[in-house]
Amino acid sequence: DTEVTQTPKHLVMGMTNKKSLKCEQHMGHRAMYWYKQKAKKPPELMFVYSYEKLSINESVPSRFSPECPNSSLLNLHLHALQPEDSALYLCASSQLWGDSYEQYFGPGTRLTVT
Amino acid sequence: DQQVKQNSPSLSVQEGRISILNCDYTNSMFDYFLWYKKYPAEGPTFLISISSIKDKNEDGRFTVFLNKSAKHLSLHIVPSQPGDSAVYFCAASEGGATNKLIFGTGTLLAVQP
Repeated sequence: DTEVTQTPKHLVMGMTNKKSLKCEQHMGHRAMYWYKQKAKKPPELMFVYSYEKLSINESVPSRFSPECPNSSLLNLHLHALQPEDSALYLCASSQLWGDSYEQYFGPGTRLTVT
Repeated sequence: DQQVKQNSPSLSVQEGRISILNCDYTNSMFDYFLWYKKYPAEGPTFLISISSIKDKNEDGRFTVFLNKSAKHLSLHIVPSQPGDSAVYFCAASEGGATNKLIFGTGTLLAVQP
């Protein structure tokens, strides 16, 4: 099973709202990732968690706050977003050992900021 | 600085023929290369990968070739099917403790029936 699940599938929020995106995997992967994707662009890395610790923050504004409660779950807390933050938010996971480094992606959350 | 490049934004192929998608990279520290297929408003789907110690990897209709001296990889799809129509991204990783992927800009493949 190579499934990564994400909720919600769609989210519309105002600029003063607080919301959270959720991601879950049960493949035993010890790395989890948040990406942002705009139309006709490649996925853009935001955060990497390795062994439940934040290991990469790609200079993401503080209005995005990641959290990794355990090895299977990854959250992205959103607060005071701007309309330009509207995008497809993707979660992924991967192993960190052996000879395969494939990242498996979830279906994404389509976020619209009004 | 674009470390991974896909110079063809689009490619059109007849059903049953071969599709060849190309990717170039600049970072010699990349250790692992991957191809993903993506439909609109969905997450990328992993297709096939290759380690830098190999020059070819095959999985069914998909074959990836790696030319390290030229810093070039290609994905061959044979035979192409209409359901293969999607955006294809190549990606590269140095592996290690974070396995950070660097994506190319993507190639839109259209397979004509």
